[in-house]
Amino acid sequence: GQNIDQPTEMTATEGAIVQINCTYQTSGFNGLFWYQQHAGEAPTFLSYNVLDGLEEKGRFSSFLSRSKGYSYLLLKELQMKDSASYLCAVPLRSSGGYQKVTFGIGTKLQVIP
Amino acid sequence: NAGVTQTPKFRVLKTGQSMTLLCAQDMNHEYMYWYRQDPGMGLRLIHYSVGEGTTAKGEVPDGYNVSRLKKQNFLLGLESAAPSQTSVYFCASSPTGDLGYTFGSGTRLTVV
Repeated sequence: GQNIDQPTEMTATEGAIVQINCTYQTSGFNGLFWYQQHAGEAPTFLSYNVLDGLEEKGRFSSFLSRSKGYSYLLLKELQMKDSASYLCAVPLRSSGGYQKVTFGIGTKLQVIP
Repeated sequence: NAGVTQTPKFRVLKTGQSMTLLCAQDMNHEYMYWYRQDPGMGLRLIHYSVGEGTTAKGEVPDGYNVSRLKKQNFLLGLESAAPSQTSVYFCASSPTGDLGYTFGSGTRLTVV
């Protein structure tokens, strides 16, 4: 089966750096996603990692270690608008291939002045 | 460029009533999904479809039915609503099943 663990809440200061961790257990690996979800809104795609290492995209970076079943999302130069939930997700393998994705419960990040 | 459109956005039902949530996508995606999101539970998959005319059960399918008569539409039905079905429902679509998920804006359903 699949299991995703991430902290439920984090607080960080505007202008600082925050790292949100995610550990996962899957029966097959086909990449890891990070989504951002503001309160009352739909999740939106942030990043996708399939190979080990760091992927940088502006203020946001995502890291993957397949051997450790571990990923993190790094947010730099935090802004108030970064207050949101951050969802870690992995595709699930079934007899039909990778047809669906499972999501972690999300990490609610509060950015304070 | 609408993407994924869900209707309605809000609804209040009485216990035992029925309703249908509509999801429409204009991206020609094969895969479509219905999730529910509850505090502390994250997104949980209700049902999904891998193409027109197909449906499959997800993690929490009980009390729901779905249909995919047209490729662009995925309907979620509640035959007899229960308070436990109070939730925010999200539809999503994907071209491949494992990549490029696009979500609708959600339907907030309250069952009293």
